[in-house]
Amino acid sequence: AQSVTQLDSHVSVSEGTPVLLRCNYSSSYSPSLFWYVQHPNKGLQLLLKYTSAATLVKGINGFEAEFKKSETSFHLTKPSAHMSDAAEYFCVVSSGAGSYQLTFGKGTKLSVIP
Amino acid sequence: KAGVTQTPRYLIKTRGQQVTLSCSPISGHRSVSWYQQTPGQGLQFLFEYFSETQRNKGNFPGRFSGRQFSNSRSEMNVSTLELGDSALYLCASSPGTATSGNTIYFGEGSWLTVV
Repeated sequence: AQSVTQLDSHVSVSEGTPVLLRCNYSSSYSPSLFWYVQHPNKGLQLLLKYTSAATLVKGINGFEAEFKKSETSFHLTKPSAHMSDAAEYFCVVSSGAGSYQLTFGKGTKLSVIP
Repeated sequence: KAGVTQTPRYLIKTRGQQVTLSCSPISGHRSVSWYQQTPGQGLQFLFEYFSETQRNKGNFPGRFSGRQFSNSRSEMNVSTLELGDSALYLCASSPGTATSGNTIYFGEGSWLTVV
């Protein structure tokens, strides 16, 4: 079984300040972990993924995430928020064990204040 | 390279009707999954198909069904629509076998409103 907990349903930051979106997971297998972003009325876009290689993963648009097995965490960060980052972010786990079934967190809505 | 294409993008149906949604995966991808997104329940896995076979199924009633064709295109069908079926239905495609590390790509979704 696998599960994902996004610790904040809503995060608000000022433009130019750092972003931190928190995610904890549990998985019976060695998981693959993803962060997806969803802009209003749009589908899901992959930001980055962890697949048991480097624990610090760099993604698109300046985002990165660090896999910490001891803490079962996969937090998403960005040094400086931009107005275009305002969207909903989903932390996702896949067991990869014979199926592409993904388990999604509830999502974190990021607001960026000008 | 074209992305995941879903049709129709928007549709309105009446309670009791049925609906069919279509998904064309990225060329070369053999796995297609479907997800339902609602404000209350978030994103929930419906089912996954690989090489025309259902490989996994989520916890949805039998009114929800799907299939995959030999060209990897997939359809999902919802019969006897209920108001609670109003949602964004997302299709995702992935290459080959479900090994760790394969990226999963999503379409823009089909917005279904049941009235």
